[in-house]
This record gives sequence, structure tokens and C-alpha cells, in this order.
Amino acid sequence: DSGVTQTPKHLITATGQRVTLRCSPRSGDLSVYWYQQSLDQGLQFLIQYYNGEERAKGNILERFSAQQFPDLHSELNLSSLELGDSALYFCASSVVAGVGGNEQFFGPGTRLTVL
Amino acid sequence: EDQVTQSPEALRLQEGESSSLNCSYTVSGLRGLFWYRQDPGKGPEFLFTLYSAGEEKEKERLKATLTKKESFLHITAPKPEDSATYLCAVQARTGAGSYQLTFGKGTKLSVIP
Repeated sequence: DSGVTQTPKHLITATGQRVTLRCSPRSGDLSVYWYQQSLDQGLQFLIQYYNGEERAKGNILERFSAQQFPDLHSELNLSSLELGDSALYFCASSVVAGVGGNEQFFGPGTRLTVL
Repeated sequence: EDQVTQSPEALRLQEGESSSLNCSYTVSGLRGLFWYRQDPGKGPEFLFTLYSAGEEKEKERLKATLTKKESFLHITAPKPEDSATYLCAVQARTGAGSYQLTFGKGTKLSVIP
């Protein structure tokens, strides 16, 4: 158990709909990352937040948005869903900081199925 | 653009048969190279971080090494429970405060009893 929690575990919805995925980081971690994993693309970085502020953006679609709240939990909002958005969505957290690399610890993921 | 290539895509080993997985990378300024293990339908599990060429780290039957262009994950006398997908990722020295990982597509390891 990494200490990162994600809800819900599974989500089935229809095209055109909007969903919200939730993530609670490990205790003490200030940075949250969102990744998308599909069979053909592998793990792709979407967006990073640090202590409530956006720090980096990857291949995140304009239909997707995220935020990090004062209690450090984060939500990923996916709207106008398409069949191709079906994937596993992972949240990771890290202490972050300063010099050197930093280990990211991943949650169990949310499996999104768009029908 | 940072790139990570893992080989082979899949590897079948007999229990006890040692082997190595490869991760080659191109990145403008390596901050760290990470190895993760992922079981089907689960989140990646952190294994190792390597920071500089020549560095080695070990954990049970796994040993990770790093050169300037690639990393190897050596598996000694594997057991069936080592079956999983092993992911390699790099963290580049990008903008301040930016720590995202670029992942390879993984090597799916199957260890046969």
C-alpha cells in the first residue's frame, strides 16, 4: 500500500458526459501528479500540482482539467468524454523538492470506461 | 524531447534462470532514473532511483545499474512471484519545480515454475 488513495476504482459512463476523479496524496506529500495509461500509449504524464499551484503540464487535453485543494487532495475533471478517453488514470504523490530526483508513489488507479 | 525505450517487450524465463532488462534513454539533463514494477490492473510500485552513471542498487533478487545512455535491471534466480511488467522512467532537469516522469512502455516478465 503506497498511501495514495484514489476514488472511484471503476467508472463507466457514456460519450459526452463529464466525470471527476479524486486523489488523496500520502501524508506529508505536497506534490500530486496525474497520469493516463492506455494499452497503446503506456503511462503518459498529464499534469502536476504542488501545494495548490499548477507546476507542469504534459499531454493533457483541453477537455481535461485538474485542481489541488488546500487539504492537498486533487481532482481530475474529464469532460465531453470520447471513447478514446477509456483508460486507467493514476495519481502519484511525492515530497518534492529541491535538488536531486524524487520518488513518486502511485495510487491504485481509476479505470474509466466510456461507452 | 525525452525518450525512453525498453527491451525486450516481453520476456519468459524459467524459474531460476537469470536475465536482464534494458532501458535506454535520451534526456536533456538527467535528474533521476526510476524503476517501477506494475502488476495487472494495479498502480506502479516504486523499486529504485538511480542518479548518476556507475550507480547500482539492489533489492532481493533485483539489481539496477546505470550508464550515461542506459539502465539495466538484472534479475537473479527469478521466482514466479517476480512476474510483472517492469517500467523504467526518467526525470529531466526541466523548469523549476517540474518533476514529471517520462515512462517507457515496459517489459512484461513471465517466470514459469
